[in-house]
Amino acid sequence: DAGVIQSPRHEVTEMGQEVTLRCKPISGHNSLFWYRQTMMRGLELLIYFNNNVPIDDSGMPEDRFSAKMPNASFSTLKIQPSEPRDSAVYFCASRRTSGGGNEQFFGPGTRLTVL
Amino acid sequence: DQQVKQNSPSLSVQEGRISILNCDYTNSMFDYFLWYKKYPAEGPTFLISISSIKDKNEDGRFTVFLNKSAKHLSLHIVPSQPGDSAVYFCAATPAGAGSYQLTFGKGTKLSVIP
Repeated sequence: DAGVIQSPRHEVTEMGQEVTLRCKPISGHNSLFWYRQTMMRGLELLIYFNNNVPIDDSGMPEDRFSAKMPNASFSTLKIQPSEPRDSAVYFCASRRTSGGGNEQFFGPGTRLTVL
Repeated sequence: DQQVKQNSPSLSVQEGRISILNCDYTNSMFDYFLWYKKYPAEGPTFLISISSIKDKNEDGRFTVFLNKSAKHLSLHIVPSQPGDSAVYFCAATPAGAGSYQLTFGKGTKLSVIP
């Protein structure tokens, strides 16, 4: 059973460029989460989708960040334009809303470096 | 304002001994607690959880204890093995079918010395 898949695993870009991170949740999971991990702030929830609909985007830092979930098996997190302070590890996680616990299953993360 | 705190950034333990990782929380609405383990270059993986109706949950070498009155939980690993060396995150969430947000602590790096 495949886990959460994220791509790319590493991304190095220059300030001002657009960055797109991709996530494929676990099949059958109807909730999807994007997190950002930094040394200063730890793991922070950026946005939560349920049944492909954004439910809570209060963690999205600013308008430069956007996320979409066009279908149940794919989501993107876009940063445009990127800035050096966006450098972090970005995780995608998924879970089954009903019939399961509160456990979320995380992907391996994308390490983003903005120069 | 950290609602979930792991006050020890790191912990070193000899192989075979007990590892105790601690976590404190401030939000009294938290009702379900989880521990995640994270190896370098990997995502966090779920380890064990506990509901507030219990004070202990055990799974093999891992036991989580919850003290609601003190708003404190701990993860015990007995016996500790070198493969347990990782960063451990405590997380909490309010109860209810609609709850979804996990609030994480900043983690404790455990090193098990052979």
